Amino acid sequence: DAGVTQSPTHLIKTRGQQVTLRCSPKSGHDTVSWYQQALGQGPQFIFQYYEEEERQRGNFPDRFSGHQYPNYSSELNVNALLLGDSALYLCASSFRAEAFFGQGTRLTVV
Amino acid sequence: LAKTTQPISMDSYEGQEVNITCSHNNIATNDYITWYQQFPSQGPRFIIQGYKTKVTNEVASLFIPADRKSSTLSLPRVSLSDTAVYYCLVGAYILTGGGNKLTFGTGTQLKVEL
Repeated sequence: DAGVTQSPTHLIKTRGQQVTLRCSPKSGHDTVSWYQQALGQGPQFIFQYYEEEERQRGNFPDRFSGHQYPNYSSELNVNALLLGDSALYLCASSFRAEAFFGQGTRLTVV
Repeated sequence: LAKTTQPISMDSYEGQEVNITCSHNNIATNDYITWYQQFPSQGPRFIIQGYKTKVTNEVASLFIPADRKSSTLSLPRVSLSDTAVYYCLVGAYILTGGGNKLTFGTGTQLKVEL
């Protein structure tokens, strides 16, 4: 049984560019959440998707957007990249009270 | 969401028991306490969750006093591979139709040495 898978694992982008990160949830999970983790900090909640709709959102600007597909997979899009967007981006799928995290995508903005 | 406070770092030696305490004075009646473990450049991994008293699984034990204003994660006989960041989270969990939003602090960096 595959767990939560994210792609790509690493990515380097230039300031001002746009990026799309992808996530496939654990089998049987229908809720996907995205987190941003800066170096030395805990993960910060970006938003959550359920039934193809954004259900909850953290304190992130509109440059961060997402999508969920009928097969429950999800994308995180970030526009107009800033140097401060460099971080590990984590996807989590949840079932009841337990969340399973992917390995993350390391995004570096130069 | 209840705020949590835990030590920034702890050091231990292989074979010892490690206890990490988390303070959550403003915990609400319907809040659960959950601990996650994270290795560098990996996603957090669920360790244990509890509501009151004691919970034990194959990895750890979680002790929660009656007032629930703190909790202690106990790792028996740690090894080098237990070196990681441990996060204490507090929050209510929606069991259907929405999952949960997790609020992480900065966690406790546990370093295990020989």
